[in-house]
Amino acid sequence: AQSVAQPEDQVNVAEGNPLTVKCTYSVSGNPYLFWYVQYPNRGLQFLLKYITGDNLVKGSYGFEAEFNKSQTSFHLKKPSALVSDSALYFCAVRAGNRDDKIIFGKGTRLHILP
Amino acid sequence: NAGVMQNPRHLVRRRGQEARLRCSPMKGHSHVYWYRQLPEEGLKFMVYLQKENIIDESGMPKERFSAEFPKEGPSILRIQQVVRGDSAAYFCASSSSGVGYNEQFFGPGTRLTVL
Repeated sequence: AQSVAQPEDQVNVAEGNPLTVKCTYSVSGNPYLFWYVQYPNRGLQFLLKYITGDNLVKGSYGFEAEFNKSQTSFHLKKPSALVSDSALYFCAVRAGNRDDKIIFGKGTRLHILP
Repeated sequence: NAGVMQNPRHLVRRRGQEARLRCSPMKGHSHVYWYRQLPEEGLKFMVYLQKENIIDESGMPKERFSAEFPKEGPSILRIQQVVRGDSAAYFCASSSSGVGYNEQFFGPGTRLTVL
């Protein structure tokens, strides 16, 4: 069965510092991996995805994520955090099969401190 | 280019009433997904539909909940005889195909409150 773990409920980072939001996954076969962000009272917005190819994926708003097959991880990163990055971040995985559903992690709340 | 539309944005129902949530996918998208989000929890998959077909309803309770995506018009998630535990945010997402690497685009959600 597919699963996603986001081990941190909350991450606090000072503005200007690099940030990392962790995600590990379990899936049979090749994974498709996604990161979404949710601002208060809004729907989820797509940030980036990994399908195949380069392990480092670049996405919206300066975010990037690194796919590590041996560690089954897909951590979200940004070199320099902004206060406006404060939001709820979701990692998601989908097995490489048609019609398989996406499984979301529980989310990590990111607080960027001014 | 309008995104995924959901209405109403907020819905208040008394116990025992019916709740009907609507979702219009992005233009050109024929795949719709419904999720439920409880406070401080992640998104729980409920159902996946294509036009006139339910593909996967494994996440939807077998009683009181139903979903449809007719040939014309929006997708509807219907909750009959609502109970307090149904209070949650319900999100709809759409994609252009069911291929696994296509991202889903989310609507703003319907926040259901059951009194």
